[in-house]
Amino acid sequence: QVQLVQSGAELKKPGSSVKVSCKASGGTFSSYSISWVRQAPGQGLEWMGGIIPIFATTNYAQKFQGRVTITADESKTTVYMELISLRSDDTAVYYCARGEEDMDVWGQGTTVTVS
Amino acid sequence: QSALTQPASVSGSPGQSITISCSGSSSDIGGYNFVSWYQQHPGRAPKLMISDVDNRPSGISNRFSGSKSGNMASLTISGLQAEDEADYYCSSYTGGTTLVIFGGGTRLTVL
Repeated sequence: QVQLVQSGAELKKPGSSVKVSCKASGGTFSSYSISWVRQAPGQGLEWMGGIIPIFATTNYAQKFQGRVTITADESKTTVYMELISLRSDDTAVYYCARGEEDMDVWGQGTTVTVS
Repeated sequence: QSALTQPASVSGSPGQSITISCSGSSSDIGGYNFVSWYQQHPGRAPKLMISDVDNRPSGISNRFSGSKSGNMASLTISGLQAEDEADYYCSSYTGGTTLVIFGGGTRLTVL
């Protein structure tokens, strides 16, 4: 059974960047898409973008285009999400999840605080 | 692409049934049979409860069911139990630049 394990919490200053990792274990990695979804404190879910590792094809939500980059390292079965030009309203829990229209396996979440 | 519209809260007593609505447009819910529902308990990651409008993933109780009519999708929970108390989110594929959009979430309270 696939598990997604994310990197630890981050504290960043405004204007800086953050890179969060999501390591897959226990199953096929490359053939599935991996999405990134964030949740600001007390708010709902927001899809940021996704990647299909085997093709290295990416899709980004219009809101984040130009600020987010999603990459994959198949040898490490790890997907990365980098967000630049951080602002205070980027403070959120960032999740990786397998799939796009139906995300069936989720990471534990990574808290990114911008202050 | 605007977010899908859900009621902020619903409530029900144990054993009762409740329905959560999710309103979209012909560009999302109405255009594709890719509506999903997620359950999220406080401090936990979301959990997929329904995919492709009405499909229950393995291990999900048959008390949970999904449906769609036009631009509106619905999640019904029958035989409410205390552990169903959580936030529920709908999502839809859009086919646009923003491939997936979510509803604002509905807090279910089991009285």
